[in-house]
Amino acid sequence: DIVMTQSPDSLAVSLGERATINCKSSQSVLYSSNNKNYLAWYQQKPGQPPKLLIYWASTRESGVPDRFSGSGSGTDFTLTISSLQAEDVAVYYCQQYYSTPPGITFGGGTKVEIK
Amino acid sequence: QVQLVESGGGVVQPGGSLRLSCAASGFTFSSYGMHWVRQAPGKGLEWVAFIRYDGSNKYYADSVKGRFTISRDNSKNTLYLQMNSLRAEDTAVYYCAKKQWPPAGAFDIWGQGTMVTVSS
Repeated sequence: DIVMTQSPDSLAVSLGERATINCKSSQSVLYSSNNKNYLAWYQQKPGQPPKLLIYWASTRESGVPDRFSGSGSGTDFTLTISSLQAEDVAVYYCQQYYSTPPGITFGGGTKVEIK
Repeated sequence: QVQLVESGGGVVQPGGSLRLSCAASGFTFSSYGMHWVRQAPGKGLEWVAFIRYDGSNKYYADSVKGRFTISRDNSKNTLYLQMNSLRAEDTAVYYCAKKQWPPAGAFDIWGQGTMVTVSS
């Protein structure tokens, strides 16, 4: 299985400041035939299900604010919240869907809090 | 609106069985692959099982293979997870999730989850 490693485990950021979360895969999730990275980011607020934010590593899901952006390719990816808002307090997960089931895996999560 | 609603969770003794359901609405259920994902208390997300749009192929995590069975009834817009030989480590919130239209494979719609507790 592809192992997804997120860092840091948690971070505290002041309102309006930038938050950066990293995700590293144990092997490339870039599919050469279509040049797409099979990598998604999810946000999970307390007591709620996960919500899809980003897919194809950098494509925002419909309705997701543009302060959320994804970047990276191959094995190294980043989720950036450009200006942290109070409602962004959550745990964020990366996921690879390069490996068709049963190989889908998630990162361990990064908890984002207000400093 | 597009919605997934899980049901069937509860408290069960080790070795027992439970059947979860996931009712879909607001989209053409029969056109999409569907997943089950679980989350143990205070832990991260773990993929459990997947079924293709037509039920022709099913896949399972090693941790549940041989004990859990995923199925669907497209005439009822409902996804199921039959869980047998339950263990304490199966205790979790179970979510059903819709797979994006191919080739995209992220999970774009999630249910609210149903709690399964395995305890004597």
